[in-house]
Parts: sequence; C-alpha cells; structure tokens
Amino acid sequence: AQSVAQPEDQVKVAEGNPLTVKCTYSVSGNPYLFWYVQYPNRGLQFLLKYITGDNLVKGSYGFEAEFNKSQTSFHLKKPSALVSDSALYFCAVRGGYSTLTFGKGTMLLVSP
Amino acid sequence: DAGVIQSPRHEVTEMGQEVTLRCKPISGHDYLFWYRQTMMRGLELLIYFNNNVPIDDSGMPEDRFSAKMPNASFSTLKIQPSEPRDSAVYFCASSSPGTSGNEQFFGPGTRLTVL
Repeated sequence: AQSVAQPEDQVKVAEGNPLTVKCTYSVSGNPYLFWYVQYPNRGLQFLLKYITGDNLVKGSYGFEAEFNKSQTSFHLKKPSALVSDSALYFCAVRGGYSTLTFGKGTMLLVSP
Repeated sequence: DAGVIQSPRHEVTEMGQEVTLRCKPISGHDYLFWYRQTMMRGLELLIYFNNNVPIDDSGMPEDRFSAKMPNASFSTLKIQPSEPRDSAVYFCASSSPGTSGNEQFFGPGTRLTVL
C-alpha cells in the first residue's frame, strides 16, 4: 500500500523568508508525486508534480519541490514567502496505475 | 474550459433526507473521482470512474452512498438516507487520459450539512 506523511500540521514563516513544507512517501515502484494547494472554501489546485527526470521540479506561483529518492521525500519550497501563500498544502503520491493517496495536509501561515 | 463544475455549492438538509450531488468533469477527461473532506479524516477517495464505468468503490462508506456516471459529462453522488455524520465537503475531480503522471483537476466542492 502507498502512503504519504506530512509531519507538520502547521508551518509558520514571516513574509520574505524561505519556506519548506515537508512530505515523505512510501510506494512500490517508481513514484509519481504531486503538490496541491487549497485556499479557504475552494477546491484543491495543482501546484507541481514529479514524474521522472530532474529532481528539482518547478511549479506555479514560484513554488518548487525537491525529490529525494534515498530519503523518500518530496519537500515543497519557496525562496521568499508571501502572505497570499497562506493556505492548506497537500502532498500526494501515486504508484503505477493506482489512485492518488493524499497526506493530511499542512497549514502554511505567512505573517506580514 | 470552465473546469470541473459541481452543484450545489452548499446543501443543508435534515437527517433522513435524500441528497444528490452533481458533477460535470472537464471535457475530454476520462477519469472522474469523488472525494470527501472532513477535519477528522482529511481527504478520502470514495469512488472513481474510467470511461463512465465505476472502477473502485471501496471508499464508499456505506450502502447509503451510491454514485453513477450515465455519460462522459455528468456524474452524481447520492446519499440516502443522510445522517449528521455525512456532513463534509464533497469534491469531484477529473483527469485526462494517458499516463499515470496526469494530475487531477478538482471542482470547488459541495459543502453538505446534515442536521
């Protein structure tokens, strides 16, 4: 069975500082990894994905994520946080042709 | 494209009533997913379809829940009878044909409150 762990329920950073939202995964075979963001009262929006290739993946709104196979991690990063980045972030994994498994989500709070 | 469309956006009903949630996937997408989101359980996959055929409904919590996809542009999730513990946000998502690397696109959700 595949699984995703987001060890932090909440991450707080000040605007302008770098941010990291952590994600580790477990899956058989090669993983397909995704990050989604959810703003209040909205559906999940796709940010970025790792399928194969370069371990550093760039996505929407200046976000990027680093795939680390040995550590089975896919942490979401941004060099300079904005207050508008405050939202709920989900990591998800798919192995082979199975369905997506989502983590519990991490609430990102960016203070002015 | 308008994206995934869900209706209604909000539904308030009384225990025992039938509830029907509706979803229109993105045109050309052949996978459709129904999820439920609660504070306690997070995001749960209820059922998914491929080419209008239900593939896996193991996430459907009880026989009170049923889902149909009569054609490529419409799906329903029905709860009968509804119970207060069914209160949640229900999301529909769709994805395009092709590789497993294709992302899912989510609708805005239906917030269901069962009194």
